[in-house]
Amino acid sequence: NAGVTQTPKFQVLKTGQSMTLQCAQDMNHNSMYWYRQDPGMGLRLIYYSASEGTTDKGEVPNGYNVSRLNKREFSLRLESAAPSQTSVYFCASSAGGWGQGAWGTDTQYFGPGTRLTVL
Amino acid sequence: GNSVTQMEGPVTLSEEAFLTINCTYTATGYPSLFWYVQYPGEGLQLLLKATKADDKGSNKGFEATYRKETTSFHLEKGSVQVSDSAVYFCALNPIQGAQKLVFGQGTRLTINP
Repeated sequence: NAGVTQTPKFQVLKTGQSMTLQCAQDMNHNSMYWYRQDPGMGLRLIYYSASEGTTDKGEVPNGYNVSRLNKREFSLRLESAAPSQTSVYFCASSAGGWGQGAWGTDTQYFGPGTRLTVL
Repeated sequence: GNSVTQMEGPVTLSEEAFLTINCTYTATGYPSLFWYVQYPGEGLQLLLKATKADDKGSNKGFEATYRKETTSFHLEKGSVQVSDSAVYFCALNPIQGAQKLVFGQGTRLTINP
C-alpha cells in the first residue's frame, strides 16, 4: 500500500517549456488535490477533483491544467512554464467527494512532493 | 474571506519543554480546523482535527481546542522530543459539503537535545 505517489521528485525547466506532474493513489479515494508550497506562504490549492470526471479551480489555478484520468490518477500540466511557477508541488487525496455526504472533515493524505525549478 | 494566521517561526526549544504554537483564523460560518505536520523531506500528514466549537483534538501528546469565541486553535504539547522537529501547519475548511483547505504559513519547530 503505497498511499499517494508523485513523479518526478525533481524537475528543472526552462521558461516556456511544458511538463506534466503525475499523481496516483491506491486508497480508492474519491477526491484528489494539487497544491503548491512556497516559502512563508503555506500551501495553496491549485485544482481539485471531487469525483472521477470532475475538476474544479482552487485558489491559484492560472497557468495550470489538470486531468482526472481515472479514479486513481490526477495529473497537473504546465503548458508554458514561468519562473513564478518555481515551487514544491504536492498531490493529496481524501476519501469523500461529491455525492458522498458530508466530507468537509475528511483527512487528506499527501504525496512526497515534486520540487520544480523554472529558469 | 477565509484565512489562517500562525505564530512566526522558527521556534527552538529544548527537549522536554512545553510547546505552544498559536493559530487564529477568520472564516464565515462554522469551519473545521486541522493541524498538519511536515517532517523533513516528506509530505504533510494530519496531526489532529476538531470539527465544532469546544472540541479538543489530540494525537501523539499534542492537543488543540477549537475556541470559537477567540477564533483560535492553538497547538500544545507538554513535553517535546527531538523527533517532534518539523513544520506545523494550521488549516481550516470553511464548508462541510466539500474540502477546500486554507493553510497558515507554517511554523518550523526545532527541538534540541
